[in-house]
Amino acid sequence: DTEVTQTPKHLVMGMTNKKSLKCEQHMGHRAMYWYKQKAKKPPELMFVYSYEKLSINESVPSRFSPECPNSSLLNLHLHALQPEDSALYLCASKHLAGYYNEQFFGPGTRLTVL
Amino acid sequence: LAKTTQPISMDSYEGQEVNITCSHNNIATNDYITWYQQFPSQGPRFIIQGYKTKVTNEVASLFIPADRKSSTLSLPRVSLSDTAVYYCLVGGDDKIIFGKGTRLHILP
Repeated sequence: DTEVTQTPKHLVMGMTNKKSLKCEQHMGHRAMYWYKQKAKKPPELMFVYSYEKLSINESVPSRFSPECPNSSLLNLHLHALQPEDSALYLCASKHLAGYYNEQFFGPGTRLTVL
Repeated sequence: LAKTTQPISMDSYEGQEVNITCSHNNIATNDYITWYQQFPSQGPRFIIQGYKTKVTNEVASLFIPADRKSSTLSLPRVSLSDTAVYYCLVGGDDKIIFGKGTRLHILP
């Protein structure tokens, strides 16, 4: 299994809602990532988990709360979002050992905040 | 992290070889050069990675000169389905930063 899956594919939420994005991989990767991508822009790194511990937080607002319950799962909890948070949210994973820098990306969750 | 500079966009025709050059003047000794491809509304997909000289796989070649301050992604005999954004990234640890990318448009 060489796939990263993300659910849901699309999400529409109001500014007062609480929702979660889910990411899953079964490749034995111990690094997992959240990226945010706006239209016609490159992906922007949000969070990195290494061995299930948060290792990098790129100064992301607290309305985004990541969670890594185990080595295969990564969640992104959303609360009190703003319309400008509407974007494609991408999850990725990779091996930590060795130099090879290949990240495997999921298809993303298209988030719309009303 | 080394900053990368690529052309914003390129056009080419089906069947041609396409070369996209990326400059990374402040690349560190332990940095690798990696290229990703992204189609609209999909996650990026790894294409190729190298450290120096030339690397070739089934879809592309990567040419890196001795000073490693630039690299060139070569796509042989492109087709319409190669229309995408191509990102050059430089790094060596678990944190990678995407540059602005090159929008490649293949014409019939």
